[in-house]
Amino acid sequence: ETGVTQSPTHLIKTRGQQVTLRCSSQSGHNTVSWYQQALGQGPQFIFQYYREEENGRGNFPPRFSGLQFPNYSSELNVNALELDDSALYLCASSSTQGAYGYTFGSGTRLTVV
Amino acid sequence: DQQVKQNSPSLSVQEGRISILNCDYTNSMFDYFLWYKKYPAEGPTFLISISSIKDKNEDGRFTVFLNKSAKHLSLHIVPSQPGDSAVYFCAAKEYGNKLVFGAGTILRVKS
Repeated sequence: ETGVTQSPTHLIKTRGQQVTLRCSSQSGHNTVSWYQQALGQGPQFIFQYYREEENGRGNFPPRFSGLQFPNYSSELNVNALELDDSALYLCASSSTQGAYGYTFGSGTRLTVV
Repeated sequence: DQQVKQNSPSLSVQEGRISILNCDYTNSMFDYFLWYKKYPAEGPTFLISISSIKDKNEDGRFTVFLNKSAKHLSLHIVPSQPGDSAVYFCAAKEYGNKLVFGAGTILRVKS
């Protein structure tokens, strides 16, 4: 069974630009969650998608948005990038809406300059 | 406002000895607690969990203890092995689907 894959692995963007990060969920998993991990901190919950609908959101502004597709893969979009958006973005999939049994991807390292 | 705190940024332990990683929380509504391990360039991997209605859960070399009155949990690794060297995150689940993570503790097991 394949795990969670994220692309790209690394990305450099300029302040004010927009970025799209992608995630393929583990086979059999229908729920995808996104987390932001800033340097020296633990992952922070951005939002979760279940059946193509946003199903819970953390304390992030509306310029952070997402999509889930019928094959359960997902995108995270960030508009008007700020320097503080520089972080590791982690995608996690699970087979239920709960937080049990998360499988995390290796993440996308975003640097905003 | 940090609801989950790991006050020790790092811990160094000799191979074969016990490693004890600690975590404190403030939100009494948390109903489930998890520990994750993270190696560089990899995502966090689930290690062990405990429900708020229990005070201990054991899985091989790993044991998690929960003290609800003190809002404290700890992860014990016995015996510690060099391959256990990683960042360990404590996480808590509220009602719903979100995990709240601590900042992590870097464990180094010396051989």
